[in-house]
Amino acid sequence: DAGITQSPRHKVTETGTPVTLRCHQTENHRYMYWYRQDPGHGLRLIHYSYGVKDTDKGEVSDGYSVSRSKTEDFLLTLESATSSQTSVYFCAINGAGGSGNTIYFGEGSWLTVV
Amino acid sequence: GENVEQHPSTLSVQEGDSAVIKCTYSDSASNYFPWYKQELGKGPQLIIDIRSNVGEKKDQRIAVTLNKTAKHFSLHITETQPEDSAVYFCAARRNYGQNFVFGPGTRLSVLP
Repeated sequence: DAGITQSPRHKVTETGTPVTLRCHQTENHRYMYWYRQDPGHGLRLIHYSYGVKDTDKGEVSDGYSVSRSKTEDFLLTLESATSSQTSVYFCAINGAGGSGNTIYFGEGSWLTVV
Repeated sequence: GENVEQHPSTLSVQEGDSAVIKCTYSDSASNYFPWYKQELGKGPQLIIDIRSNVGEKKDQRIAVTLNKTAKHFSLHITETQPEDSAVYFCAARRNYGQNFVFGPGTRLSVLP
């Protein structure tokens, strides 16, 4: 258990509405990530953070923004949700384990945009 | 940037047989290669990993091999059991703090 909590776990929202997903970690890890998972695409990086107020874009960042005001929380915001953002969203942290520093995932947030 | 390919996309084996999943990567500077197992409705879980200074690593029924020259690494599962049925992902990364690039996944089905 990497101490990662995602909320909400499931959400249905309408096109054009704003949505915020929250990732909370309890182990003070520096790096946090948001991925989306879609059939045929595997896991794709949306945004990541390397410290409080330090964030950067991943490969599929369009339509998403993030914020990290505290070490333990990393928020993903869809400013105006679209049907193409229907997906499963995973938060992850980079922590010690295995052969070294590896990535651990939360349980996912299922988002449906109708 | 890094690109990770994974084959096969689906794999069915009989219980007790072995399963092999192969990944290739493009960035010769990548030096860390984890494997994840994802069960339905859950997040990916790390099952084994390997660093570039090691050619093989084993953990009970699971092993990973790495060929740096050919830039490929493989997951081997022996004596498969129905609970091994899941989607498996490989990944590659250069250095700590840099991003992981994932393969598209392999759906393994172990038939009783």
